[in-house]
Amino acid sequence: ETGVTQSPTHLIKTRGQQVTLRCSSQSGHNTVSWYQQALGQGPQFIFQYYREEENGRGNFPPRFSGLQFPNYSSELNVNALELDDSALYLCASSSMDRSNTEAFFGQGTRLTVV
Amino acid sequence: AQSVSQHNHHVILSEAASLELGCNYSYGGTVNLFWYVQYPGQHLQLLLKYFSGDPLVKGIKGFEAEFIKSKFSFNLRKPSVQWSDTAEYFCAVNAGNFNKFYFGSGTKLNVKP
Repeated sequence: ETGVTQSPTHLIKTRGQQVTLRCSSQSGHNTVSWYQQALGQGPQFIFQYYREEENGRGNFPPRFSGLQFPNYSSELNVNALELDDSALYLCASSSMDRSNTEAFFGQGTRLTVV
Repeated sequence: AQSVSQHNHHVILSEAASLELGCNYSYGGTVNLFWYVQYPGQHLQLLLKYFSGDPLVKGIKGFEAEFIKSKFSFNLRKPSVQWSDTAEYFCAVNAGNFNKFYFGSGTKLNVKP
């Protein structure tokens, strides 16, 4: 167990709909990063939140957005879902205030868009 | 842009065979290097990491990796694999902002009993 929990574990949505995925970070961590892992691929960086502010973004369109709350938990929102958004979405928790620390990953949310 | 290449997409070994999985990255500056493992149905777990110092790092479950700066490589090794090592292995790099990872496409290891 990593102490990073994601919900829901599985989700099926229809093309065009919106989805919200949630992540609770590990105690003591103030940074949450989101990754998309398509089938047969490695995780791709979506964006990162540090102390409630976006702190870097990967090559994903604006319909991918996020939030971080005062307790450092986070949400990933995807609007206007497309079939290619079907993937495993991973959340990683870490601390930016300590150097050379690792990130801990949750089990992910499996999103299927039909 | 940073990139990570894993040369072997699918490896099949018998128990007790030796393992080496290749990983090369492209980035000119200082990097932190990682190997993660993903067992079926489970979350990504850290096997080992390199930040600085001895380029030969030892991780959990008998795995080790060697950082060769001149070759931009960080290959993963294990002298004798077990059936329980069946999983997908990901090499990852971060640089600068150390919490943004760039992952390779992964290597699926299948160990036959």
